[in-house]
Amino acid sequence: VQLVESGGGLVKPGGSLRLSCVASGLTFSGHYMTWIRQAPGKGLEWVSYISRSGDIIYYAESVRTRFTISRDDANNSLFLQMNNLRIEDTAVYYCATYGMDVWGQGTTVIVSS
Amino acid sequence: QSALTQPASVTGSPGQSITISCTGTSSDVGSYNLVSWFQQYPGKAPKLIIFEVTKRPSGISNRFSASKFGSTASLTISGLQAEDEAEYYCCSYAGGSTPYVFGTGTEVTVL
Repeated sequence: VQLVESGGGLVKPGGSLRLSCVASGLTFSGHYMTWIRQAPGKGLEWVSYISRSGDIIYYAESVRTRFTISRDDANNSLFLQMNNLRIEDTAVYYCATYGMDVWGQGTTVIVSS
Repeated sequence: QSALTQPASVTGSPGQSITISCTGTSSDVGSYNLVSWFQQYPGKAPKLIIFEVTKRPSGISNRFSASKFGSTASLTISGLQAEDEAEYYCCSYAGGSTPYVFGTGTEVTVL
């Protein structure tokens, strides 16, 4: 069972990034999925989750209206579209199963001018 | 939704037992038996060690145990070992529009 994130990088404030997470070894379509982030030297922050069918979605207050979670079950993929990025969005972003029993290795997002 | 409160650090000697508290409110820890605990080594992804307050995933040592009373959850590590030196986070379901909240994290040091 493996989750592999990609798409992180350096972006200017106000910019956009799209994170991806590809799952293997599990029935991806059968899982709710979630994104969690960790700012440098800080604790974990839950960001968003999406239901199996994609009809139930929640966001943390800090990212609501700026981030969009989505999924492509045909390609075992989870996405996080991040718009209007702020310096405080700088973090390692992890994808995980809903129960957080499986985590990816994380992808780093740096928002800086 | 405010983060759950954990002590910043806990220290113990090998073989001892330590307990980490996780204090929330009646809206999160106090309302749901959906508290999880995670262990994180520097530079690594967190690892689930407790779910649904007291349950251990397969492969997790029985030296890890947990409980909840009211709005405070607790993680106990028995027979402390050097490999237990890590950061520990609690997490609770909170319902509402922001359904999950993490704790502030506790650094465990083994002397």
